[in-house]
Amino acid sequence: EVQLVESGGGLVQPGRSLRLSCAASGFTFDDYAMHWVRQAPGKGLEWVSGISWNSGSIGYADSVKGRFTISRDNAKNSLYLQMNSLRAEDTALYYCAKGHSGSYYSSFDYWGQGTLVTVSS
Amino acid sequence: EIVMTQSPATLSVSPGERATLSCRASQSVSSNLAWYQQKPGQAPRLLIYGASTRATGIPARFSGSGSGTEFTLTISSLQSEDFAVYYCQQYNNWPRFTFGPGTKVDIK
Repeated sequence: EVQLVESGGGLVQPGRSLRLSCAASGFTFDDYAMHWVRQAPGKGLEWVSGISWNSGSIGYADSVKGRFTISRDNAKNSLYLQMNSLRAEDTALYYCAKGHSGSYYSSFDYWGQGTLVTVSS
Repeated sequence: EIVMTQSPATLSVSPGERATLSCRASQSVSSNLAWYQQKPGQAPRLLIYGASTRATGIPARFSGSGSGTEFTLTISSLQSEDFAVYYCQQYNNWPRFTFGPGTKVDIK
């Protein structure tokens, strides 16, 4: 059974940093691209960042570029999101999502339950 | 960035009726288009990928069509468990994938 379990969320002051983790199991982690998607309270889904299976290709939404860094450790079946210079508008539930196929161009077939990040003084 | 739009924002439908949701891309995404369903307090669930292929375990009442810039999700006969928010997503522009703003399907 595929499982994605996010952790690392919490309450943080504006300007500070936070590191999210996603522990994956039930599939061959290094065969798939992985993504972070967030959802602000009462709002829609926003793709945040994606990383190819071998970390060779990475992308970010304009809203987080230069502040967030995605990474993965295939030996540990884990995905990470380092979030620096956090702003109030980064407050959201952050989901980890698995690419549906080995291709870069794939939908997201499994999602974690999310970890809540609240940026407030 | 490819911008996705969805219409209508809210769709009120009676159980057993047909629902038709639309999604438009600001430029061609070929058939690299997915639909997700999200219920309150739950993570999104993949319904359709490749514009028209149902994901594993998705009932046949869900169908997708379209290519290029215009896409449609049809729910042929709404069941009580189908009332939710539906999002389209393009995955043609690696690695910058984008979602539409969503269509809420509620009970009429």
